Amino acid sequence: DGGITQSPKYLFRKEGQNVTLSCEQNLNHDAMYWYRQDPGQGLRLIYYSQIVNDFQKGDIAEGYSVSREKKESFPLTVTSAQKNPTAFYLCASFGRTGEKKLFFGSGTQLSVL
Amino acid sequence: DQQVKQNSPSLSVQEGRISILNCDYTNSMFDYFLWYKKYPAEGPTFLISISSIKDKNEDGRFTVFLNKSAKHLSLHIVPSQPGDSAVYFCAASADYGQNFVFGPGTRLSVLP
Repeated sequence: DGGITQSPKYLFRKEGQNVTLSCEQNLNHDAMYWYRQDPGQGLRLIYYSQIVNDFQKGDIAEGYSVSREKKESFPLTVTSAQKNPTAFYLCASFGRTGEKKLFFGSGTQLSVL
Repeated sequence: DQQVKQNSPSLSVQEGRISILNCDYTNSMFDYFLWYKKYPAEGPTFLISISSIKDKNEDGRFTVFLNKSAKHLSLHIVPSQPGDSAVYFCAASADYGQNFVFGPGTRLSVLP
């Protein structure tokens, strides 16, 4: 079954700690994205990658970092520089062939201890 | 400045009636639009898409209408069912998927 897997489902961060959210897809998609959702708000773009070894900042990249060493994987690190990290994080991929739509993972809820 | 707006934060509809969710955009370069449904603590589920070369697209109970001159699109759900109760997001892209901008969402409640 093709899809996107995000882990963990819930994550807690201590002050000053970096944490990494995992995102893996087996859809053979080139493009991958990270979004952040705050309560009552829409999805805001953190980072995106159109191809392996390349990525661009989205609207709210400060305090986050990503890597794209493999087509299937696009991990997001929430650094200690992100002062308000509590949010629901969503990873997505986009296929340019077939049905053109964003495929989303099930999300990771990050909370600060 | 919000490029994609959903001006109704919430909407309540009786089961069996039509639900109409609206979305307005400001960027005339947007040429591809998606609608998603989202339950709390879950990833969004794709509903329907429309490109700027069309003004209507249907898929079962879901129909999306696009008015390019008004920079407005709407999602119609007929008939509405209690399971449709969720938050609905519209998203727009300027190059058929390079990057999507999401609206803030509309919470739909379908009352039995």
